[in-house]
Amino acid sequence: GQNIDQPTEMTATEGAIVQINCTYQTSGFNGLFWYQQHAGEAPTFLSYNVLDGLEEKGRFSSFLSRSKGYSYLLLKELQMKDSASYLCAVSIRNTDKLIFGTGTRLQVFP
Amino acid sequence: NAGVMQNPRHLVRRRGQEARLRCSPMKGHSHVYWYRQLPEEGLKFMVYLQKENIIDESGMPKERFSAEFPKEGPSILRIQQVVRGDSAAYFCASSPIMGELGDNEQFFGPGTRLTVL
Repeated sequence: GQNIDQPTEMTATEGAIVQINCTYQTSGFNGLFWYQQHAGEAPTFLSYNVLDGLEEKGRFSSFLSRSKGYSYLLLKELQMKDSASYLCAVSIRNTDKLIFGTGTRLQVFP
Repeated sequence: NAGVMQNPRHLVRRRGQEARLRCSPMKGHSHVYWYRQLPEEGLKFMVYLQKENIIDESGMPKERFSAEFPKEGPSILRIQQVVRGDSAAYFCASSPIMGELGDNEQFFGPGTRLTVL
């Protein structure tokens, strides 16, 4: 079966750093996406990892370890607008369909 | 370059009626995916289509649900005889032709929020 786990909720302070973890057990793993979703809106793409290691893009970085079935999204210099749900999704080989975790709701406080 | 378009944005139906949800992919995209998001839950894959073909419908309920992506016009997700449990946000996503690394970013539409009374 396909299983993706991430924490349900997290809180952090403006200006701080937060790490959102995601573990997965899937067959046919191709790569891992992170999406951001504000309440009532569509998910928007943040990052994609297919090889092990860290991908940095501005304030956001994403890490993947294929052997451990583990990824994290790192958000630096948090801003109030970063309050949103962060969705971890695995891409399945040959189909391109995405298997999503339940999402992590992040609240940033002043 | 317009993004993925979905309509209607909000749809209210009574139990037993039919719901039709439309999705126009981004220009140049030939792959369409439908996902359902129940309140407080993650997105669940329903179906993956290319023009005139259903590629993967493993996430579609066996009854009442169907999807199509005709040669001309938008993709349609059709729910017959809706029940209260069908109330959810339905998101459509599109992507271009599959890349070698499978790194096809899926671009999501704004979703259709279906409420069944």
